[in-house]
Amino acid sequence: TQLLEQSPQFLSIQEGENLTVYCNSSSVFSSLQWYRQEPGEGPVLLVTVVTGGEVKKLKRLTFQFGDARKDSSLHITAAQPGDTGLYLCAGGGSGYALNFGKGTSLLVTP
Amino acid sequence: AAGVIQSPRHLIKEKRETATLKCYPIPRHDTVYWYQQGPGQDPQFLISFYEKMQSDKGSIPDRFSAQQFSDYHSELNMSSLELGDSALYFCASSLGGHRMWGYTFGSGTRLTVV
Repeated sequence: TQLLEQSPQFLSIQEGENLTVYCNSSSVFSSLQWYRQEPGEGPVLLVTVVTGGEVKKLKRLTFQFGDARKDSSLHITAAQPGDTGLYLCAGGGSGYALNFGKGTSLLVTP
Repeated sequence: AAGVIQSPRHLIKEKRETATLKCYPIPRHDTVYWYQQGPGQDPQFLISFYEKMQSDKGSIPDRFSAQQFSDYHSELNMSSLELGDSALYFCASSLGGHRMWGYTFGSGTRLTVV
């Protein structure tokens, strides 16, 4: 199993602040995905990054895939309370399954 | 747009009972995945099916079994339930088993074993 480590585990910030969360592994992934999950609901796909060094933007969210395809980061600009949730990175192994990191729990307070 | 439908949404069972969870993937999606998520935990992969055949197997206990039917819906059968089986069970689907296009998750079934 290819392990994904996410940091920080918890993050509490005020509205308007910027933040970055990280997803690291010693393994190379063909792709990495970021999901956001709200309590009691299923994860929702935010983005898939495929190419080393790739940067994708989704409104105030910026995703980057490391050059060696072993790590990824998610940067949120001017966080809003609606960004609150559990952010999970996930990568594929040799099979069909996605392996998830343990997530970063983000709380944005007004 | 149609999403992944899971039923039931909530389920309470006693120890040693059996439970069946159902998953209806997005139309045209041919791959189904089952994940178990304990409180405060990340989703753990259980099993997947591609075109009605088991495609990958994760940490699924021997007490559990699953299958994908001709209409692509899937069922997770759980027997001899234990307290530790209490968790959220998610089903996800994708097209062609292609991880690069991402999974679509259902809203989950919350199983409570008492």
